[in-house]
Amino acid sequence: DGGITQSPKYLFRKEGQNVTLSCEQNLNHDAMYWYRQDPGQGLRLIYYSQIVNDFQKGDIAEGYSVSREKKESFPLTVTSAQKNPTAFYLCASSISPRTDTQYFGPGTRLTVL
Amino acid sequence: DAKTTQPPSMDCAEGRAANLPCNHSTISGNEYVYWYRQIHSQGPQYIIHGLKNNETNEMASLIITEDRKSSTLILPHATLRDTAVYYCIVRATYNAGNMLTFGGGTRLMVKP
Repeated sequence: DGGITQSPKYLFRKEGQNVTLSCEQNLNHDAMYWYRQDPGQGLRLIYYSQIVNDFQKGDIAEGYSVSREKKESFPLTVTSAQKNPTAFYLCASSISPRTDTQYFGPGTRLTVL
Repeated sequence: DAKTTQPPSMDCAEGRAANLPCNHSTISGNEYVYWYRQIHSQGPQYIIHGLKNNETNEMASLIITEDRKSSTLILPHATLRDTAVYYCIVRATYNAGNMLTFGGGTRLMVKP
């Protein structure tokens, strides 16, 4: 069953802690993306990766970090430097980093207590 | 990428066609029109995209005006499961990061 998986679906953390969100795809896509969505808002790009071992900052990268050691995995770490981390986080992938359609995972809802 | 304007909300009766408009008056020649939808608390789902010709797939039809300044997404027989926020996105043939810029979208409510 091909697709993009994100885990966990709900995540709670205490203020000041780092937390890592998982994103895995078995679609053999080169490009992967992380977006953030706040209530009633559209999506904003955090980081993207066009190929293994490469990634670039999006519009709101401050307080986040990523790695792309494997083609199928693109984990996102929300650090304690992120001032407002409570949000819905969405991972996506596309065949290539150019014009291809992006396919999204189910999302992780992070709540900071 | 060009900006899009969509009505914030629309209602549609179950079984009827849902026609969702989108204005993109500043679209340029190399920009595609994409439609995604997002059901509450789920990831966005790709629906359809086009450049200048009308497009149809198993989910919907996309009608783009001849001047490309606006488009309409048509769900031919709306069901309750089509209730979602629908996003119209205009995106260049290539932009750094293949970024999708999501605006506010149209909240479609399909009613029995």
